[in-house]
Amino acid sequence: QQQVKQSPQSLIVQKGGISIINCAYENTAFDYFPWYQQFPGKGPALLIAIRPDVSEKKEGRFTISFNKSAKQFSLHIMDSQPGDSATYFCAASRETSGSRLTFGEGTQLTVNP
Amino acid sequence: KAGVTQTPRYLIKTRGQQVTLSCSPISGHRSVSWYQQTPGQGLQFLFEYFSETQRNKGNFPGRFSGRQFSNSRSEMNVSTLELGDSALYLCASSFTDSGTDTQYFGPGTRLTVL
Repeated sequence: QQQVKQSPQSLIVQKGGISIINCAYENTAFDYFPWYQQFPGKGPALLIAIRPDVSEKKEGRFTISFNKSAKQFSLHIMDSQPGDSATYFCAASRETSGSRLTFGEGTQLTVNP
Repeated sequence: KAGVTQTPRYLIKTRGQQVTLSCSPISGHRSVSWYQQTPGQGLQFLFEYFSETQRNKGNFPGRFSGRQFSNSRSEMNVSTLELGDSALYLCASSFTDSGTDTQYFGPGTRLTVL
């Protein structure tokens, strides 16, 4: 019940296109859903996060959509740029269970110029 | 503010040896978590320390252990290394031990077991 499933495993989009990455979780006790971005040779860095009391959160070109009833959430990257090429991880945690993140499997995004 | 630092960055060991990895959190952060990253298993939680106490432990064998010092610096130890322990070991720090507090990751220690 601790799993977070992420798809697709890899994604290729053209510059200016929309990148969409999906995640599904099982544990309804999760109450925090961050997305992390990781470049080669670097640790993951927080991109954007959402709580289940809102259905959408937007920060610049990045938007999280959250569907509590379906236990799904997704990351949308608008106007994708070559500099967005990285591995993206969705994650989930519980506010009261310490700093333990359960990660999805990761999506390798390539944005072609 | 300096980020999370991890030492060493690269390490090569042989089977049966033991290894100690170090993590210095962001100044003022009291929570340190460790994760193992591999191509096959992705990012898996190892353990979390807050104020020198282990708060959470992932599903790893007892060969994996850790500790946190009074200055919040943390170390993890892997004894009797196996080939499958080859991975990138990431440390993350946060100000509190709340699950909604942003975790800041270090660059990791790349461990290769031969």
